[in-house]
Order: sequence, then C-alpha cells, then structure tokens
Amino acid sequence: GAVVSQHPSRVICKSGTSVKIECRSLDFQATTMFWYRQFPKQSLMLMATSNEGSKATYEQGVEKDKFLINHASLTLSTLTVTSAHPEDSSFYICSAREWQISYEQYFGPGTRLTVT
Amino acid sequence: GQQVMQIPQYQHVQEGEDFTTYCNSSTTLSNIQWYKQRPGGHPVFLIQLVKSGEVKKQKRLTFQFGEAKKNSSLHITATQTTDVGTYFCAGLNFGNEKLTFGTGTRLTIIP
Repeated sequence: GAVVSQHPSRVICKSGTSVKIECRSLDFQATTMFWYRQFPKQSLMLMATSNEGSKATYEQGVEKDKFLINHASLTLSTLTVTSAHPEDSSFYICSAREWQISYEQYFGPGTRLTVT
Repeated sequence: GQQVMQIPQYQHVQEGEDFTTYCNSSTTLSNIQWYKQRPGGHPVFLIQLVKSGEVKKQKRLTFQFGEAKKNSSLHITATQTTDVGTYFCAGLNFGNEKLTFGTGTRLTIIP
C-alpha cells in the first residue's frame, strides 16, 4: 500500500524557536496533503489542506502565520511551527491522498512536538 | 460546521465479547471512512462506505452506513487483544473533500 513518511518523529525545542516537519509520499504522487493536530486521547483536528503549487487552505481558528505550510512538489509538504510556545506541544500528523484514485487518506507516523 | 460524534467514548470488554461503536454526523455525508489507531500509533485506514444502507465485512468486522447517510456503525465479533485501539469514523463531504473525524471510541480488552 501507499506509504507516507514524516520527519522528525519527535522533536523538543525551546520556546520562541521554529520547527519544520516534513511529510513525504514515498510511492505515489499526492496533489493534496492534509495536516492534522491531535491532543492526547482526543480526535484528529484538521489544521490545513496543502495543495501542490498553491497556497494552503487553513481551517478556521488556525493561524496561517504561525503554521506555515509549503507543498513544493507532488511528494513533499512541510509544516513549520514558527515561534513555538508550550501550548503548541502536540502530535502533528500529515496525510496524503492519491488524487483521482481514491478518497482514502494515507497517514504518516506523526511528529510529537514538545516545546519547553 | 459539520460535527461527527461517536459513542461510546470508551469501551472495556472481555476478550471474546462483541464490540460496537456508533457514529453520527450532523450533516449528510458523501461517504464514511473508518480508521484504527493503536496506542502511540497513527490512524490506519480500514474501510470506506459510499452507498446508502451499505454493509461491508472484513473478517470479524462489520461496517454499516445508514440509509440517510448520516450515521454508521462498526461491529467487532469475538474481540481479540489485537483489536485494542481507538476507532475513528470520518465523514467525507464531496463539496470540500475534507474528512471530519469523529470523536473516537477507545477499545480496551480484558484478557
């Protein structure tokens, strides 16, 4: 099946610094990737939809200047958490869809961000 | 906005017992997907239902999509320890092609 990777799997950073998370589709082209955030024992909350070659679409309440998304190629999307604060600590998961093949989303393994 | 609720939130069952989780959407869905997330893991796609009233089976798992396409259920027969995890339904709206995840049901198995 389709594989999505995320890097890094875990990151600890100091408050005020920026962190970049990469999401790659390894064996298929993903024109659309999605970024989710998950707090402990809670559901996945969609943050933004990342479209290759165009600006990301952010969900209501998600600060686009804080969570910068770039989808530079058909296999790579990045999420940069800028000026991170402890409240940004969370599990960030990306997913990718193989366009016009299926609406099934393939999820990456997630990145656990801890801001100290 | 669209809301997708699941009940129960938690379910503890003895190994070998059956388990059911119910999913209800505030709006009519284009399709419904089910995912399983093991503790510490990421969501893994299980199945997609598209047609009104559709029923699909995967070994001990039975998935149903309601006639009105606003609710769905997942039933597991004779649970095993490998069934442990959180089961999420996710509703797709063709209008915006976004998945809205349900609140999830966490299943634990008592050996």
